[in-house]
Amino acid sequence: DGGITQSPKYLFRKEGQNVTLSCEQNLNHDAMYWYRQDPGQGLRLIYYSQIVNDFQKGDIAEGYSVSREKKESFPLTVTSAQKNPTAFYLCASSTILGLHNQPQHFGDGTRLSIL
Amino acid sequence: GQNIDQPTEMTATEGAIVQINCTYQTSGFNGLFWYQQHAGEAPTFLSYNVLDGLEEKGRFSSFLSRSKGYSYLLLKELQMKDSASYLCAVRERDSNYQLIWGAGTKLIIKP
Repeated sequence: DGGITQSPKYLFRKEGQNVTLSCEQNLNHDAMYWYRQDPGQGLRLIYYSQIVNDFQKGDIAEGYSVSREKKESFPLTVTSAQKNPTAFYLCASSTILGLHNQPQHFGDGTRLSIL
Repeated sequence: GQNIDQPTEMTATEGAIVQINCTYQTSGFNGLFWYQQHAGEAPTFLSYNVLDGLEEKGRFSSFLSRSKGYSYLLLKELQMKDSASYLCAVRERDSNYQLIWGAGTKLIIKP
């Protein structure tokens, strides 16, 4: 079945450590997104990518980095510069950005906590 | 500026009807989405509105008034499994067609 796979489901980060969250999709979608979800707040966009080897910063990109070397994959690295990384991270994908009624499809999320 | 408002929490009874409202102020409206999210899980797509009026999809319907910056999600014949958060998101042309998300409405269904 087509879908989006995020791993790991739970992740713990030590002080000064970089961690990478995996996101893979087999929906043949061009656009991929990373969101952060905190209690009582709406989803906030970290980075998005419309095409391989290209990506744009979202509203809260500081302390994060991404790559898009393959259409299917869009990993997110939470760097040590991100001082408050504890959150639920959601990866999503969609067909061409902004195309009519095409929704974003989400992975099951990664819950990141600080040790 | 961008702003999307939804009630934080609502309670309804199994078998009843509930309406979840969403008001928005955005730049370059390009469509409104409703998603359902069970605790700790991924949001799943429910409905999309871009023109004024009602879109019906089984037990769920969604309404849009662009002139009022207002939408609602109507859930009929409520079931216990409908207990979840309901997220309203507006796509903005002026933000490169990105989605701006409300904080979500937690719906609690009681027997």
